[in-house]
Amino acid sequence: EAGVVQSPRYKIIEKKQPVAFWCNPISGHNTLYWYRQNLGQGPELLIRYENEEAVDDSQLPKDRFSAERLKGVDSTLKIQPAELGDSAVYLCASSLEVSGAGETQYFGPGTRLLVL
Amino acid sequence: ELKVEQNPLFLSMQEGKNYTIYCNYSTTSDRLYWYRQDPGKSLESLFVLLSNGAVKQEGRLMASLDTKARLSTLHITAAVHDLSATYFCAVDIVYRGGSEKLVFGKGTKLTVNP
Repeated sequence: EAGVVQSPRYKIIEKKQPVAFWCNPISGHNTLYWYRQNLGQGPELLIRYENEEAVDDSQLPKDRFSAERLKGVDSTLKIQPAELGDSAVYLCASSLEVSGAGETQYFGPGTRLLVL
Repeated sequence: ELKVEQNPLFLSMQEGKNYTIYCNYSTTSDRLYWYRQDPGKSLESLFVLLSNGAVKQEGRLMASLDTKARLSTLHITAAVHDLSATYFCAVDIVYRGGSEKLVFGKGTKLTVNP
């Protein structure tokens, strides 16, 4: 069974440019998460989807970040415009149900973003 | 604000030795996860601990949870080089509005030397 797929794996952009990340979760997983992982830190949740609904986006910097999950499957995370401090690894994860029920989150390989 | 603290943050040990990584957290939770991350790779689930006193073992790794002490441990027995990686604990919390999320520690970078 395929795991969580993310693309691109690496992205280098200049500040003020837009950037988008794509995630395809494990088939049948209703819940999808976007995390940001800074160097030497653990992942931090940005947004959580249950099917196509964003049920928790309180950690998403809404002035420049946006996300969507059309049809409750694939998801995209966008940054516009990017700032130097956005350099990080952006991880997508999915789970069958909400992890509060003890469901394991399965992580994708991440997109490593460098903003120059 | 919830804090999840791991120690040590860096651990260098010799093959064959035993050691324990600690994960302390500052709020009530009875769900804790351990993940492994190899350099440049994503996080791999190791253990899910869902109740006080839970203990799980896989190979040379054993994880336990004490919800009263708000402490989880990851014990390494007779370490081998293949265990070299960064290990994260993550605590499942309920916060405002009833939302739940995982809060990760900073990770423990383990290096096992021959």
